[in-house]
Amino acid sequence: GQNIDQPTEMTATEGAIVQINCTYQTSGFNGLFWYQQHAGEAPTFLSYNVLDGLEEKGRFSSFLSRSKGYSYLLLKELQMKDSASYLCAVRRTGGFKTIFGAGTRLFVKA
Amino acid sequence: DTEVTQTPKHLVMGMTNKKSLKCEQHMGHRAMYWYKQKAKKPPELMFVYSYEKLSINESVPSRFSPECPNSSLLNLHLHALQPEDSALYLCASSQVGDDEQFFGPGTRLTVL
Repeated sequence: GQNIDQPTEMTATEGAIVQINCTYQTSGFNGLFWYQQHAGEAPTFLSYNVLDGLEEKGRFSSFLSRSKGYSYLLLKELQMKDSASYLCAVRRTGGFKTIFGAGTRLFVKA
Repeated sequence: DTEVTQTPKHLVMGMTNKKSLKCEQHMGHRAMYWYKQKAKKPPELMFVYSYEKLSINESVPSRFSPECPNSSLLNLHLHALQPEDSALYLCASSQVGDDEQFFGPGTRLTVL
């Protein structure tokens, strides 16, 4: 089976840094995704990690440790528009199946 | 064109109605997906088509019937739905074996 855990909600201040953690248990791991989803809108791709380490893309970075079944998404220089849900998703080998975590709702306050 | 489009944006239907959701992409992606998302829940995979053939059916009830008439189009035919089927239905596409899925804006379905 598979299990993906991430915090339900987080609050941070504009201009600050926030780290959203994700732990997973799955058989046949083939990569971890982070998606951003604003309320009532479709998810949009943020990052993809398949090897251990840090991937940086502008204000967003994502880290993966396969041995620990752990990832985090780091958001720097927070802006109000970053208020959204952040979905951790794990892809399994042997097909197209991507399992989404329940998402972390991030509230950015002034 | 890096967009997945879905129609209609909103749909209200009765339990005896038959309706269809449509999804279209022109990115040359040969994998297309249907997800169902309830409020404050993650997207749940329903179906995957690869090269226009159904490759995954996540034990979805037969009142949902997918169709992939060509490499750009994906339909979801709805019949005899239940109120609990009310949700946001998301279509996505990707290259086969590629990383990123591109999501459409979704169809918000209400079953009365």
